[in-house]
Amino acid sequence: KNEVEQSPQNLTAQEGEFITINCSYSVGISALHWLQQHPGGGIVSLFMLSSGKKKHGRLIATINIQEKHSSLHITASHPRDSAVYICAVRGGLAGGTSYGKLTFGQGTILTVHP
Amino acid sequence: DAGVIQSPRHEVTEMGQEVTLRCKPISGHNSLFWYRQTMMRGLELLIYFNNNVPIDDSGMPEDRFSAKMPNASFSTLKIQPSEPRDSAVYFCASSFLGLAQETQYFGPGTRLLVL
Repeated sequence: KNEVEQSPQNLTAQEGEFITINCSYSVGISALHWLQQHPGGGIVSLFMLSSGKKKHGRLIATINIQEKHSSLHITASHPRDSAVYICAVRGGLAGGTSYGKLTFGQGTILTVHP
Repeated sequence: DAGVIQSPRHEVTEMGQEVTLRCKPISGHNSLFWYRQTMMRGLELLIYFNNNVPIDDSGMPEDRFSAKMPNASFSTLKIQPSEPRDSAVYFCASSFLGLAQETQYFGPGTRLLVL
């Protein structure tokens, strides 16, 4: 079993729909990252979470530390949101050898049709 | 800021040749990460440095891979000898570890094809 599991693996939506991508992890973490990889290959960090919720524009990320689960929501989806969304967890405590190391989920391929 | 800079952007080489990938992190960042992405395995951490010192190299596949960070503004990832299974996109990222809200900034990647 992978340490970081994402669902769904593929997601197709119509423009305007509300989208949720889930991430579950099985190890203790110090933070969780959501990344976006565009069709051209570039990777952009969307959020880094250690608790609670963060919002940036139409994107919302939440994390439940007790349940080891995070969700990424996109409101009013748009074709330009089409990309691969990757969840990554950062392990360890500050100063430890695993601090800073990211373990990645397999990614969710999102396609938003006009 | 120019962001994380990687070179070359594309590399095609023959099996057995030495390959050197280069990375210039964002100025002021104290940590640098090398990742590899393949269709089969997704994104994987190869090695990361903190203050120019290698902290975790457990992801380095084998002795053919080596990474150095001689100073805070430059790092190399070397593969010698290269093999077809090394074909992948190699990303470099940098961050300032220690800040509560640190984010990793990724370079554009180097697409490597070993024939």
